[in-house]
Amino acid sequence: KQEVTQIPAALSVPEGENLVLNCSFTDSAIYNLQWFRQDPGKGLTSLLLIQSSQREQTSGRLNASLDKSSGRSTLYIAASQPGDSATYLCAVRRSGDYKLSFGAGTTVTVRA
Amino acid sequence: NAGVTQTPKFRVLKTGQSMTLLCAQDMNHEYMYWYRQDPGMGLRLIHYSVGEGTTAKGEVPDGYNVSRLKKQNFLLGLESAAPSQTSVYFCASSPPILDTQYFGPGTRLTVL
Repeated sequence: KQEVTQIPAALSVPEGENLVLNCSFTDSAIYNLQWFRQDPGKGLTSLLLIQSSQREQTSGRLNASLDKSSGRSTLYIAASQPGDSATYLCAVRRSGDYKLSFGAGTTVTVRA
Repeated sequence: NAGVTQTPKFRVLKTGQSMTLLCAQDMNHEYMYWYRQDPGMGLRLIHYSVGEGTTAKGEVPDGYNVSRLKKQNFLLGLESAAPSQTSVYFCASSPPILDTQYFGPGTRLTVL
């Protein structure tokens, strides 16, 4: 069974600081890994998707890396802003599986 | 496009009552999913469907039933609600290429 862990569970930083969010998974036979953003009381919005053959993906201030062999992914958010405050979820899809396995998320607060 | 919509947004039930949650998508996606999200845990897959008229069990299917009579709709039913089913329920859809899933805003269900 795929276990996905996100550490830390919560993070508070001053505006302008870079954010580093970690995700680890137990089964390296993955098809892809996604990072989602969830705002309070809202659904999930996909931020970045990394295929198993890729090492990283970038979108604006966001960069996600993937090290399949060690079962780790890191989401970097550069120059954080108060609008980045949200919960960030990591999800992994195993090869040949429809199911996404989610971590519990990291709740980020960016202080103005 | 409305994307993925869910009805209702909130509901309070008494133990033993039944209800149906409706998910609708206007993106012509083949695949649809029902997840539940509980505090401190990642989203867990309840049931999913890979096409009209098909359904399959996910990770936590007990106590729930589903139907996909039309491609754009996916219904989640609780026949006899229990307090353990208090949760936030999310519906998602995706095209057959198994990449990004698109999520609805969620239904917050409380069972007393």
